This record gives sequence, C-alpha cells and structure tokens, in this order.
Amino acid sequence: GENVEQHPSTLSVQEGDSAVIKCTYSDSASNYFPWYKQELGKRPQLIIDIRSNVGEKKDQRIAVTLNKTAKHFSLHITETQPEDSAVYFCAAGKTGFQKLVFGTGTRLLVSP
Amino acid sequence: GAVVSQHPSRVICKSGTSVKIECRSLDFQATTMFWYRQFPKQSLMLMATSNEGSKATYEQGVEKDKFLINHASLTLSTLTVTSAHPEDSSFYICSARETGGPEDEQYFGPGTRLTVT
Repeated sequence: GENVEQHPSTLSVQEGDSAVIKCTYSDSASNYFPWYKQELGKRPQLIIDIRSNVGEKKDQRIAVTLNKTAKHFSLHITETQPEDSAVYFCAAGKTGFQKLVFGTGTRLLVSP
Repeated sequence: GAVVSQHPSRVICKSGTSVKIECRSLDFQATTMFWYRQFPKQSLMLMATSNEGSKATYEQGVEKDKFLINHASLTLSTLTVTSAHPEDSSFYICSARETGGPEDEQYFGPGTRLTVT
C-alpha cells in the first residue's frame, strides 16, 4: 500500500521567513496530493492541493510543487506569520479509490 | 457549504462500556464517509471507509467487531466503540465525500475526543 513520509517533523522560523515542508510517496499510481493545516484540537483544514497533471500550484503565500518522477511534493509558505503556526499534514490519494494516506505531520512554529 | 459535524465533541466513559460517535454532513449528501483516529502528536490514521447502505471497509489491523460502523443514511454515519479500554482513548475524526462532487476532496468533521477511564 501507499506510504507517505514527511520532513521535517518540526520547523521553527522567524516571521517573514519562508518555510518548506517535503513529502515523498511510494505508490506511483497516486495522483492527488492535498495539504492540511491542523490547529490543536481542531479539524484538519485543506489549504491547497495538487493533482498529478500539473507540476506547481500557487495560492497567495502558499505553493505546492510536485515531482512525479521522484515521487515527492513540497509545500512552500512565504512571508510566514505567527498565525501560520500549526501542524501541517501532506497526504496522497488515488482518484477512484477515495481514501487518503497521511504523512506524519510537521509542527511549524513562526516566531514574531 | 460542505459542513460536517460530529457529536459529541468530547466524551468520557468507563472501561468496558460502549460509546457512539455521530458524523453528519449538514448541507450535502455523502455516500462515502471516512473514520480516522489520531493519537496525541501523531498523524491521522484511517480506520475504515463507510458506505451508505453497505458494510464498511476496514483498514488492516482495525477490529471490525470493536469499532462498529453504521451508515444508514446519506447524511449520517456512526462509529460505536464497543467495550472501550483506556488504549482506545484518542481523537476520532470523520470526513465525508460529497456524492457527485470532486472524487478526491474530503470534508472533515471537528473531531471527538474520547477518554476511557
């Protein structure tokens, strides 16, 4: 089955810096890669997703890149703000199979 | 739109008792719902896929007789933890996929924190 690895497990940056979180997946048939932000005790919230027919997607300060050959994808947050502090999860899924396999999570701390 | 609720948000039960958690899609129909378990500082682990009108599909290692899932309508799935033990204490989160909506997208509920004493 699919296996998703995520690095780093924790990431501390200063406000205004960029943050990059990386994930690798094992199943070459996976074609849907969402990123979720989860605050303590809250539900995961979808912040951006990418499908395998594109290599990059951007939404304001957030971007995701996908390298299908290497089977890895990354989340880039620019101009970080303290409210970006949370746990971020990547996930991988296959159209038609519906279920998602989540990465282990990255705790991002943005210091003022 | 695409709101998913869970009830209760928190529950404390004694060891050996059963507890039921509800997951509802409030403004859309959901043929498929998913149940996850999240231990402190860990990732979301899929427990089972719940399909309206049919049996749930459980992930490897999840006891179907312990975690009973019923998806009797297009807007409600329930997870019953039977004979709960302290090691079942966790954050249980459901998600729902909108019938006829984008195949990949899931909408998450707010979670239920279960504590078994």
